[in-house]
Amino acid sequence: QVQLQESGPGLVKPSETLSLTCAVSGGFVSTYYWSWIRQPPGKGLEWMGYIHYSGITNYNPSLKSRVTMSLDTSKNQFSLKLTSVSAADTAVYYCARDTAMQHWGQGTLVTVSS
Amino acid sequence: DIQMTQSPSSLSASVGDRVTITCRASQDISNYLTWFQHKPGNAPKSLIYAASSLQSGVPSKFSGSGSGTDFTLTISSLQPEDFATYYCQQYHTYPLTFGQGTKLEIK
Repeated sequence: QVQLQESGPGLVKPSETLSLTCAVSGGFVSTYYWSWIRQPPGKGLEWMGYIHYSGITNYNPSLKSRVTMSLDTSKNQFSLKLTSVSAADTAVYYCARDTAMQHWGQGTLVTVSS
Repeated sequence: DIQMTQSPSSLSASVGDRVTITCRASQDISNYLTWFQHKPGNAPKSLIYAASSLQSGVPSKFSGSGSGTDFTLTISSLQPEDFATYYCQQYHTYPLTFGQGTKLEIK
């Protein structure tokens, strides 16, 4: 049973960098594509992008200049960095496996506030 | 971006009922559509992929159909644990996009 678990700071200051990690168990990050999705309070789901173990990334153009994803096979986890955050980046952040989102983490709330 | 429009946005039904949720894509996505269930505080759970294929372990009371731009998710014999929010998502074209969700509530 594949399980994903997001972790990282729950509070980030405006203009700083949001950093999250997704730990994978029951499977290996050296297969499949791994996505990040977010949902601001009261709003819809937004796909942020994916990373493949080969290093291929594909980011949502709405975030492209601010987002970086990486993958660590030794720790079986992948990560998200979002720079220059503002209140609009306050959201529940999810990690998921593959482009069809076959497995999801339960999400972590990140609040951007001073 | 491909717009995914779900209807209805909310739905009240009783235990034992059969319900259908629709999802319309703004352009042809073939069968690159998935449905998932989300309960607050829980990880979203994938139900259907490739428009009509049941994920492993998902009961057959859930079924999906459609191709092109119009899709449906049907849930038969509703049980208390089925009351949740349901989303569709297309994975045909980047950026990947989601429907706005259908909240299924107990009548």
